[in-house]
Amino acid sequence: NAGVTQTPKFQVLKTGQSMTLQCAQDMNHEYMSWYRQDPGMGLRLIHYSVGAGITDQGEVPNGYNVSRSTTEDFPLRLLSAAPSQTSVYFCASSYGARGRNTIYFGEGSWLTVV
Amino acid sequence: LAKTTQPISMDSYEGQEVNITCSHNNIATNDYITWYQQFPSQGPRFIIQGYKTKVTNEVASLFIPADRKSSTLSLPRVSLSDTAVYYCLVGDETDYKLSFGAGTTVTVRA
Repeated sequence: NAGVTQTPKFQVLKTGQSMTLQCAQDMNHEYMSWYRQDPGMGLRLIHYSVGAGITDQGEVPNGYNVSRSTTEDFPLRLLSAAPSQTSVYFCASSYGARGRNTIYFGEGSWLTVV
Repeated sequence: LAKTTQPISMDSYEGQEVNITCSHNNIATNDYITWYQQFPSQGPRFIIQGYKTKVTNEVASLFIPADRKSSTLSLPRVSLSDTAVYYCLVGDETDYKLSFGAGTTVTVRA
């Protein structure tokens, strides 16, 4: 059972480039989300999805797009990378709504924008 | 979504008990209290969840007073490997937009 799998683990981008962070879960979870974590700070919600075809914005959505075409996959797209998007990105999933159900996290993707 | 307040950091020594208190004064009737642990360079992982009174598992205990306006995570006999950031979350099944605060950085020293 792989859980939540994120790729790539590390990435360096130049300002203005675009890229996609991949996230897949094999637990048949309805809820998936993306967080970013900056040094010394907690995790801030970027986007989330309550099921295939349904996405919504979190706390810090600007500069990011998401889609949810399948239950398993929830990619995060950076449209035009900026140095302010240098961060660690975590994908997460849970069976039910967050406040009641256990959230499972991926191992993280370290992104540097130069 | 109840707002939580917890200490920024705590220091301890191996073998001691560590207690981290989280304040959530506006907790709602349907809210649950959940704690997560995050090691450096890893994603957070679930530790324990409770609604009232006391919950214990193989890792920790969670104490919740009758008014539920605070909760205390207790880590018994910590070791160096318990050095991590601990997050307190409060919410119910309608909370889709959970964000984690800065958490409490627990440093265990030999």
